[in-house]
Amino acid sequence: EAGVAQSPRYKIIEKRQSVAFWCNPISGHATLYWYQQILGQGPKLLIQFQNNGVVDDSQLPKDRFSAERLKGVDSTLKIQPAKLEDSAVYLCASSLRTDNSYNEQFFGPGTRLTVL
Amino acid sequence: AQSVTQLDSQVPVFEEAPVELRCNYSSSVSVYLFWYVQYPNQGLQLLLKYLSGSTLVKGINGFEAEFNKSQTSFHLRKPSVHISDTAEYFCAVIKTGANNLFFGTGTRLTVIP
Repeated sequence: EAGVAQSPRYKIIEKRQSVAFWCNPISGHATLYWYQQILGQGPKLLIQFQNNGVVDDSQLPKDRFSAERLKGVDSTLKIQPAKLEDSAVYLCASSLRTDNSYNEQFFGPGTRLTVL
Repeated sequence: AQSVTQLDSQVPVFEEAPVELRCNYSSSVSVYLFWYVQYPNQGLQLLLKYLSGSTLVKGINGFEAEFNKSQTSFHLRKPSVHISDTAEYFCAVIKTGANNLFFGTGTRLTVIP
């Protein structure tokens, strides 16, 4: 079974530029997550989708970050304009569903963003 | 709100020696507990989890962890480490009934030959 796919793996941009990351979850997984992992810290949830609807985006800096999952499968996370402090690894994860029972999250390899 | 504290940012240990990575959590509600491993340039992989039942949980690669409710701890142990265990280890919690993972800051385990 294929895992969570992310691209690109690495991206270097200058501040104030825009950037987009792509994630394709495991087939059949209804729930998709984007995490931000700053160097020396644990991952922090940015946004959670259930199918194509947003479940939680309370930690997403909405003035510059946006995410979509239009067809309930793959997802795109965008930053516009980027700041130096956005340098981080952006992890995508997916799980079967979100309900009252536990559903394991499976993580992709991440996209490492460097903002100069 | 939930929070996770990993007391040691770096743990060096000699090959074949035992290791313990410490994790404490705080939460006003019941939680599920997890340990993830992250190898260089890779995503997170689930090592083990505590949902309910026996407080001693066994995971992959010979790791185990014990849930201690009175001490709000979930320390990770391995009796004999290998070079291949060199990685970053993250403790995480989920509030029961939810699915949002809250991670600690991680512990870098370095196994010395």
